[in-house]
Amino acid sequence: GQNIDQPTEMTATEGAIVQINCTYQTSGFNGLFWYQQHAGEAPTFLSYNVLDGLEEKGRFSSFLSRSKGYSYLLLKELQMKDSASYLCAVIENDYKLSFGAGTTVTVRA
Amino acid sequence: IAGITQAPTSQILAAGRRMTLRCTQDMRHNAMYWYRQDLGLGLRLIHYSNTAGTTGKGEVPDGYSVSRANTDDFPLTLASAVPSQTSVYFCASSDGTGSGADTQYFGPGTRLTVL
Repeated sequence: GQNIDQPTEMTATEGAIVQINCTYQTSGFNGLFWYQQHAGEAPTFLSYNVLDGLEEKGRFSSFLSRSKGYSYLLLKELQMKDSASYLCAVIENDYKLSFGAGTTVTVRA
Repeated sequence: IAGITQAPTSQILAAGRRMTLRCTQDMRHNAMYWYRQDLGLGLRLIHYSNTAGTTGKGEVPDGYSVSRANTDDFPLTLASAVPSQTSVYFCASSDGTGSGADTQYFGPGTRLTVL
């Protein structure tokens, strides 16, 4: 089974930094994904972590600590278009994705 | 490049009716998936297929059936719709390499309302 927790909502100002935390308890672990989902649209892939440490992709970075069952997604230099839901998902031993409920980020001018 | 298409975009359905949601991908992906997304619950896996000719049950399979006659198509059928099946349904596909890095790509979704 799995238990994936992330905050429901976060609000930040344009140009600022926001960190979205995700904790998980799973029966097996083969990696962690972050997806972005704008309202009324499909989730789109942002990042994948399987080893401990930080992966940086432009304004977005994702961190993983397997021993702590913890990840975060860091969004820098926030833009209005970053207002969206961010989904944390863990891939377990059966290679199926289990999703958290998502964090809705609102960027204000 | 179409990627993954779903039809219909939205549908209002009377309870007890049969409904098939269509999903087609043109990426030659081996694996395909159906999820439902409900407010506060996130995406939940209904059924999946690792390759053409095979299917498996996900977390919430009751009331749904799937088939995978070929690589490209993965229809989801509600045999007798109930109001609790009101949701947004997403189809996804992946290479199906069996590795942890097997990224799933999602279709645009079908918004289904059962009255």
